[in-house]
Amino acid sequence: QAQLVESGGGLVEPGGSLRLSCVGSGFIFGEYYMNWIRQAPGKALEWVAYISTSGGSTYYADSVKGRFTISRDNAKNSLHLQMNSLRVDDTALYYCARDAYSYGLSGAGYWGQGTQVAVSS
Amino acid sequence: QSVLSQPPSASGTPGQRVTISCSGSKSNIGSNTVNWYQQVPGTAPRFVVTSNNQGLSGVPDRFSGSKSGTSASLAISWVQPEDEADYYCASWDDSLSGWVFGGGTKLTVL
Repeated sequence: QAQLVESGGGLVEPGGSLRLSCVGSGFIFGEYYMNWIRQAPGKALEWVAYISTSGGSTYYADSVKGRFTISRDNAKNSLHLQMNSLRVDDTALYYCARDAYSYGLSGAGYWGQGTQVAVSS
Repeated sequence: QSVLSQPPSASGTPGQRVTISCSGSKSNIGSNTVNWYQQVPGTAPRFVVTSNNQGLSGVPDRFSGSKSGTSASLAISWVQPEDEADYYCASWDDSLSGWVFGGGTKLTVL
């Protein structure tokens, strides 16, 4: 069974940076597209970023484009999200999610438990 | 304002069939598969089914998905108290080159 464990969340001031990480196990990490999806308190799910199996293709929500960078290290079964120029409205629980199927563009299938990011002065 | 539109709430009594709708446009639902997610408050979302009725292991076959044009539906046959949760639809949007989610539907099992 696929398992995903996120880390790296915390409290940061507006304008600051954080690097989130996610380690996958129980599946061949390099065969699946990976996602970051967030959820602000009491709000709906919001897709943040997406990366292809090789890392050669990346996609971002308009709300984070130019500020966030998704990357992966298949040798270490790890996914990262570098978040710069953080804003108060980036405050959310950030989920790492593996695509449901290995053929790409299938959408989040397995989810981690999330890591909390709080942006406040 | 979510790109995909869902009713904010739905309800049913145990044993009933319940459906939840999701409305989009040609660039998302009209062109791509729709995924449905279940989220019990305080827990991570769980993938339920696609609009092609594909699922992952562990999800009861009481859940089914369908799509017509730019709308999709999640049907829960024989709804159970443990199905009480928030349900979200999602689809790839060709114009945005990204995933879009609905605002969520809170299902209450009376």
